[in-house]
Amino acid sequence: EPEVTQTPSHQVTQMGQEVILRCVPISNHLYFYWYRQILGQKVEFLVSFYNNEISEKSEIFDDQFSVERPDGSNFTLKIRSTKLEDSAMYFCASTYLEGAAGFDEQFFGPGTRLTVL
Amino acid sequence: GESVGLHLPTLSVQEGDNSIINCAYSNSASDYFIWYKQESGKGPQFIIDIRSNMDKRQGQRVTVLLNKTVKHLSLQIAATQPGDSAVYFCAENGRNSGYALNFGKGTSLLVTP
Repeated sequence: EPEVTQTPSHQVTQMGQEVILRCVPISNHLYFYWYRQILGQKVEFLVSFYNNEISEKSEIFDDQFSVERPDGSNFTLKIRSTKLEDSAMYFCASTYLEGAAGFDEQFFGPGTRLTVL
Repeated sequence: GESVGLHLPTLSVQEGDNSIINCAYSNSASDYFIWYKQESGKGPQFIIDIRSNMDKRQGQRVTVLLNKTVKHLSLQIAATQPGDSAVYFCAENGRNSGYALNFGKGTSLLVTP
């Protein structure tokens, strides 16, 4: 069964450093998302991406965040200068089409645990 | 702002019993309401969704009920099994949110033998 994959599974970085989290969405999907989950809290939307541009972003997704689809398979989230409060699980998700004919399930990856020291 | 939240943070049930997990929402413009399951160390996994113009939908061992009058959503799990132990999140998804999922806080379901 196709699945979303994410690397690395755990990333430890120093405050102020740049990190890139990588995702490989399901191959025929068109919409890609990043979410984060601070320990013990709910999953929060960061950004959605379609047709090589950002479709929507939340208030969390400020100027220190960026996303990119550098090739036909990878989808990355970059945090330019990490802060302690960026420590969280980051989930990538993808879906085939934006709900034109009904709800399109978002498939989530296993997540990358980011620890900022 | 708009929010989706849960009534109970934890629920403990015995194996074989039925479980009911509740959720309140405030965004009346949502097209869909969805339940996700998250096992420890994993990403959220889709369980079932319901469109806003429906009030009930059944899946395999699960039923979702939507009460738009009181803005309440529930997930019923029949004959709960140990493998059902996880955190359950309700979420809403609508055109005015760009199809991003807005998750509630989660209910931890513990199934005891």
